[in-house]
Parts: sequence; structure tokens; C-alpha cells
Amino acid sequence: SQTIHQWPATLVQPVGSPLSLECTVEGTSNPNLYWYRQAAGRGLQLLFYSVGIGQISSEVPQNLSASRPQDRQFILSSKKLLLSDSGFYLCAWKFGGLNTGELFFGEGSRLTVL
Amino acid sequence: AQRVTQPEKLLSVFKGAPVELKCNYSYSGSPELFWYVQYSRQRLQLLLRHISRESIKGFTADLNKGETSFHLKKPFAQEEDSAMYYCALRPFGIIQGAQKLVFGQGTRLTINP
Repeated sequence: SQTIHQWPATLVQPVGSPLSLECTVEGTSNPNLYWYRQAAGRGLQLLFYSVGIGQISSEVPQNLSASRPQDRQFILSSKKLLLSDSGFYLCAWKFGGLNTGELFFGEGSRLTVL
Repeated sequence: AQRVTQPEKLLSVFKGAPVELKCNYSYSGSPELFWYVQYSRQRLQLLLRHISRESIKGFTADLNKGETSFHLKKPFAQEEDSAMYYCALRPFGIIQGAQKLVFGQGTRLTINP
């Protein structure tokens, strides 16, 4: 069966510090991978998605970047965090190449920027 | 661009009463619509999708293309239905952008005993 792991679960970082959130999927190959941010009153905002290694689509201009160095690894990064980057970040995957929209979500990472 | 709107941030009903969570979408093409649910201390997960035309945990949702809506309904609410509900849209077919899912703002449903 497939599983998705996301870490760290909780992170407190000072403004201006770097960020790295990691997500890995097990039990499947060539998944589509996604980073969402869940903010109160704004719902789930799609930040990045990837349909293959090295292929990143960015949905909103922001202080964040994403990378996919391996097939089942998706990393969310920032060189210098802003206060506005605080939030709950969700990684998700779905079967690649199939015409289905079901996403499978990780447990999330709560980021607090002070 | 695709857009999903859930007009109610909070919805509170009594146990046994009917429930309707509203969802409206904006998309010029043919969409695929979903409802996702997040129970307390659990992961966000799929509840149902319009193409399956199924009832899950007593919930149903009908895609109304004329009104561009996909409201979630249940005739008799139960306390375990308390959760955060998200409506989501995906462009249907093999087109650019068809691999992404756009979510609404979410509605927190509380079922009172």
C-alpha cells in the first residue's frame, strides 16, 4: 500500500532564516506531488505541483520554492522566511498519468515564523 | 482560471436535522468536482466525487452545471459528521492544468446534540 510522510510536523523559525520541509511517498512510482498551504479563512491554497522529477509548476508568486530531486521526494524551501510564511503546509500525492483527481494527503507541517 | 467558492465558513445544525454545505465553482470547461473532509486529528481525505454518483456516509452531492454548483447534502446529521469540509475542482480530461486540484475556503460543520 502507499504511504506519504511529511516532516517536520512542527517548526518554529525566526524571520530571515531558511526553510526546508520534506515529503516522501512510498509504494508507488511516478506520482504527482503537491504542496498546499492551509490558512484560516483562505482554505487550501495550491503552492506547487510536480508531474515528474525536476518538473515544478508554481501557482502563486511567493517567497517559497519547491524541488523534486527524486521520483518520490518533494521539498518545499525558502532562503529567507517572512512572517507571512507562517501556516500549515500539506503535501499530497496522486497516481500519475491516470485521469483521476483523488489526492492523498500527509499529516501536515505547522510552521511558525517569529 | 478555476475558482471554488464555499460561502459559509461555519455551519451549525442540530443532530437529526438536514445539512447542506454549499459549493459554487467557476470554470469554462468541463470540471470534475470533489468533496474532501478533515475530521479532528485526522488527515484530509476524499469524501466523494461527482462522477461516482455515490452516497458516502449518507452524504450526496449533485453537479448542477446550470447553476455551477456542487452542494453537499445529508438528510439527517449525526454528531460524527462534525468536521471541516472542502469542495474541490479539477479540469476534466488530458489538458494542461488537469493535474491540479483547486480547493474552496472550507466550511466547518458542527453538529449539536
